[in-house]
Amino acid sequence: DGGITQSPKYLFRKEGQNVTLSCEQNLNHDAMYWYRQDPGQGLRLIYYSQIVNDFQKGDIAEGYSVSREKKESFPLTVTSAQKNPTAFYLCASSSRGYEQYFGPGTRLTVT
Amino acid sequence: AQSVTQLDSHVSVSEGTPVLLRCNYSSSYSPSLFWYVQHPNKGLQLLLKYTSAATLVKGINGFEAEFKKSETSFHLTKPSAHMSDAAEYFCVVSDPGSGGYNKLIFGAGTRLAVHP
Repeated sequence: DGGITQSPKYLFRKEGQNVTLSCEQNLNHDAMYWYRQDPGQGLRLIYYSQIVNDFQKGDIAEGYSVSREKKESFPLTVTSAQKNPTAFYLCASSSRGYEQYFGPGTRLTVT
Repeated sequence: AQSVTQLDSHVSVSEGTPVLLRCNYSSSYSPSLFWYVQHPNKGLQLLLKYTSAATLVKGINGFEAEFKKSETSFHLTKPSAHMSDAAEYFCVVSDPGSGGYNKLIFGAGTRLAVHP
């Protein structure tokens, strides 16, 4: 069964702690993306990667970091430098030039 | 620069009546346009896409959209709403980049409510 998995579905952290969100895909897509969604807003791009061991900053990369050591995996770390980390985080993947497919999301709450 | 405007933040319809969700875009290229749907606390699902073929695009669950270049619009319609259509809908334009990577520009979303 092909698709994108994100874990966990809900995540709670204390302020000042780093946290890593998982994203795995078995669609054999080259490109992977991380988005942030806040209430009443569209999605904003955090980071994207077109190939293994390469990634680029999106529109709101400050306070976040990523790695792409394997084609199927693109974890996102929310660092303590992110000033407002509470949000819904969505991972997506695509083949070159085609539409993006989204995972089910992780809701992160930082208190 | 590419941009997309969803003209209504909330739309409310009765079950069995038509649905119209409005979207205008701005693009300096021949755009690729998409509609995605998001149910509460879920990821986004692709409803339909326009990529310079037929201007009337049919999608899943009875939805369709018409690309009108003269009006720079890509409105989403459905003849008869179902309770399960209640969700958030996003109009999206693709900004072609280098290496075949297509950056997606999202509208702010339209929340569709369907009443019995």
